[in-house]
Amino acid sequence: AQSVSQHNHHVILSEAASLELGCNYSYGGTVNLFWYVQYPGQHLQLLLKYFSGDPLVKGIKGFEAEFIKSKFSFNLRKPSVQWSDTAEYFCAVKVGVSGYALNFGKGTSLLVTP
Amino acid sequence: ETGVTQTPRHLVMGMTNKKSLKCEQHLGHNAMYWYKQSAKKPLELMFVYNFKEQTENNSVPSRFSPECPNSSHLFLHLHTLQPEDSALYLCASSQVWTSLETQYFGPGTRLLVL
Repeated sequence: AQSVSQHNHHVILSEAASLELGCNYSYGGTVNLFWYVQYPGQHLQLLLKYFSGDPLVKGIKGFEAEFIKSKFSFNLRKPSVQWSDTAEYFCAVKVGVSGYALNFGKGTSLLVTP
Repeated sequence: ETGVTQTPRHLVMGMTNKKSLKCEQHLGHNAMYWYKQSAKKPLELMFVYNFKEQTENNSVPSRFSPECPNSSHLFLHLHTLQPEDSALYLCASSQVWTSLETQYFGPGTRLLVL
């Protein structure tokens, strides 16, 4: 079955550590890729998105993600995390240009310790 | 942020009750969505409305009944729910048929079915 896989379900890092969260998908053809973040008690917010062009996209709060088409991956990175980055992170894929459905991964829970 | 609002934020209901969830988007979008977020599962798309017409129903049980009176408002009517329906119900909106279509989410309604 086609899916979106986030390999790390729980990640614990110390402040200033580097972060990389994996996301792989199994859809062929044109895809639009998203990372959303859900801070404790808050709603899902868009972190960054990729539609076309430069495969390295930069988002808010110092996050970036790299689209590697050959690996069907869209990993999220941040060079130095802060305590305020503690949240749940969701990778999502929209298949096709005019499709409606966003297919989500199960999410990765990130805890940043002081 | 007031882009997509949802009421109520929390709801407790018995299996014989009838209740409704409300969503309103203030972004001028033409499509609205209902998602279900359960623990340890990916977000599940339930319904899609495009220009007030339902375009997708992801095999959702009939005890969930959506209504979209206009492009800014979306309701989810609930009746005779089961305890396994307890979850966070998220509303989203987007502007479809644009090349950079992005879904924006509301804060959700936390539903507990007793």
